[in-house]
Amino acid sequence: DIQMTQSPSSLSASVGDRVTITCRASQGISNSLAWYQQKPGKAPKLLLYAASRLESGVPSRFSGSGSGTDYTLTISSLQPEDFATYYCQQYYSTPPATFGQGTKLEIK
Amino acid sequence: EVQLVESGGGLIQPGGSLRLSCAASGFTVSSNYMSWVRQAPGKGLEWVSVIYSGGSTYYADSVKGRFTISRDNSKNTLYLQMNSLRAEDTAVYYCARGQDTGYSAYYFDYWGQGTLVTVSS
Repeated sequence: DIQMTQSPSSLSASVGDRVTITCRASQGISNSLAWYQQKPGKAPKLLLYAASRLESGVPSRFSGSGSGTDYTLTISSLQPEDFATYYCQQYYSTPPATFGQGTKLEIK
Repeated sequence: EVQLVESGGGLIQPGGSLRLSCAASGFTVSSNYMSWVRQAPGKGLEWVSVIYSGGSTYYADSVKGRFTISRDNSKNTLYLQMNSLRAEDTAVYYCARGQDTGYSAYYFDYWGQGTLVTVSS
């Protein structure tokens, strides 16, 4: 199974900051990566797929990049509603679909 | 509009059984990859099971032999039969639609609100 490792596990930032979250796969996944946002008590929400493609309705301040084993999610200017936990998921080799452990983004 | 609504969670004793349901609307369950994903309290997301449009099923090693995924095409509903439940199965269980990207690969574009399963004596 492909293992996904996110960093950092938690992050404090302020409204307006630029934030980057990293996801590393245990082997190359050819951009087969999705990012999700989850708020407390809510289901995850798809943000990006194919590493850099924005899901319909997701604000353009979210972007993704990467290749091979290393990928990043960037939020260009944090908004109050962006404080949440973010997960990456590889779909290069499924099943199983594997997730990173999550990155909790908190208000500084 | 795509909607997924889970039900069937609750408190169950270790060794017991429970069946979760996920009623879908706005799309056809049998034409899509459908999965169950769980989240233990305060923990991350863990994929549990998938049923492909062709009917093939797969399970996480942690639930293999105990859980069974199925669907009722007439009701457009997904199920998860959970037997021999353990304390470590305690989690919110989400059903999710898999977006087929080819070669049976998928990410999840729609999620239900989740149903809590608590396994405790």
